[in-house]
Amino acid sequence: AQTVTQSQPEMSVQEAETVTLSCTYDTSESDYYLFWYKQPPSRQMILVIRQEAYKQQNATENRFSVNFQKAAKSFSLKISDSQLGDAAMYFCAYRSSYIMIYNQGGKLIFGQGTELSVKP
Amino acid sequence: ETGVTQTPRHLVMGMTNKKSLKCEQHLGHNAMYWYKQSAKKPLELMFVYNFKEQTENNSVPSRFSPECPNSSHLFLHLHTLQPEDSALYLCASSRRQGLSEQYFGPGTRLTVT
Repeated sequence: AQTVTQSQPEMSVQEAETVTLSCTYDTSESDYYLFWYKQPPSRQMILVIRQEAYKQQNATENRFSVNFQKAAKSFSLKISDSQLGDAAMYFCAYRSSYIMIYNQGGKLIFGQGTELSVKP
Repeated sequence: ETGVTQTPRHLVMGMTNKKSLKCEQHLGHNAMYWYKQSAKKPLELMFVYNFKEQTENNSVPSRFSPECPNSSHLFLHLHTLQPEDSALYLCASSRRQGLSEQYFGPGTRLTVT
């Protein structure tokens, strides 16, 4: 079974600085997707960035980028030029890319989350 | 604005009550999901519906009963809950199960007294 681990329950960053959130996962599959979701205090979970395991290039979305190390099963999120609006819970998630078998599949497996605070 | 709405946003119920949570998606998706989010724990998938058919039940107690009358609506019927069922219940949808990103609703904060 796949597992996702976020070892940092809380992180803090100064506004305009850079912060990196860690995520490791365990799987025997070779093809899968990894995601970072953001959940602000208003609770709406939104997708920040996604990475396909077969792509070697790290995904980037504006100030958000990932460092995907497939061999090490590591998937960290870097937030550059942190803003007050970045304060939220961040969840790392894994999803197998195998097509459904016996109507299974599509399950997102989440880590425990990292609460990021941004200091003005 | 994610296109997935949930009502009510907050619910307090006694252990003998019966209540229902509602989720509606306006994205034209065909798969819908219920998740439970408890404090200090990862999100737990509860149920999955794909084209109105339940495709996954993650060993959820029978006091939680899902219903998906069409691809746009998903309900979670609650009866004789326990205090440990207090949590944030999140609904999500995707174009199809397993093949696309999931979009989440704002959640219902449930307190069982």
